[in-house]
Amino acid sequence: QKEVEQDPGPLSVPEGAIVSLNCTYSNSAFQYFMWYRQYSRKGPELLMYTYSSGNKEDGRFTAQVDKSSKYISLFIRDSQPSDSATYLCAMSAVGSEKLVFGKGMKLTVNP
Amino acid sequence: KAGVTQTPRYLIKTRGQQVTLSCSPISGHRSVSWYQQTPGQGLQFLFEYFSETQRNKGNFPGRFSGRQFSNSRSEMNVSTLELGDSALYLCASSPGQGRLGYTFGSGTRLTVV
Repeated sequence: QKEVEQDPGPLSVPEGAIVSLNCTYSNSAFQYFMWYRQYSRKGPELLMYTYSSGNKEDGRFTAQVDKSSKYISLFIRDSQPSDSATYLCAMSAVGSEKLVFGKGMKLTVNP
Repeated sequence: KAGVTQTPRYLIKTRGQQVTLSCSPISGHRSVSWYQQTPGQGLQFLFEYFSETQRNKGNFPGRFSGRQFSNSRSEMNVSTLELGDSALYLCASSPGQGRLGYTFGSGTRLTVV
């Protein structure tokens, strides 16, 4: 079993839709949870970060962490064509510099 | 402010050759990490350097090595290239605070033929 599992999709939605992206993990030591966005031919860029459990909101983006279920989510409200990219979840343990990534979900938002 | 610069952007090598990839971190960043990205395995951690010392290493064979210079620039080397080494190699730098400050470069696309 991989440490981090993420449905690779692809996912195609109409503009304005609410998008839900999810990852599950198996390592109980993970305490830092991140979402990265990667456009074609670019490196990943950090979108959201959460420490331990809870929710975090930033504009149209909301990140949720449920440590009891080992499940994290990213919600995108009022999705835009510019949100079309690959979204990767990543996590790490306290004291570790190593990020463990999901495989990424390719999202397309159609105008 | 300049971002993380990786050179070259694209590279084609033959099986058995060796290759060196370069990464210039954001000015003032002292931690540099390397990742391999493939369609099958996704992003996998290779190693992390801080102040010229390797602090962490991923599960890759010894053919993969790296180093960091006193100006924080980093290089990674892959010897005896195999077809399976074809991938996007990404470098990420941070001030040294770890995962919260990582900025990725655009990567070097290595193709082994």
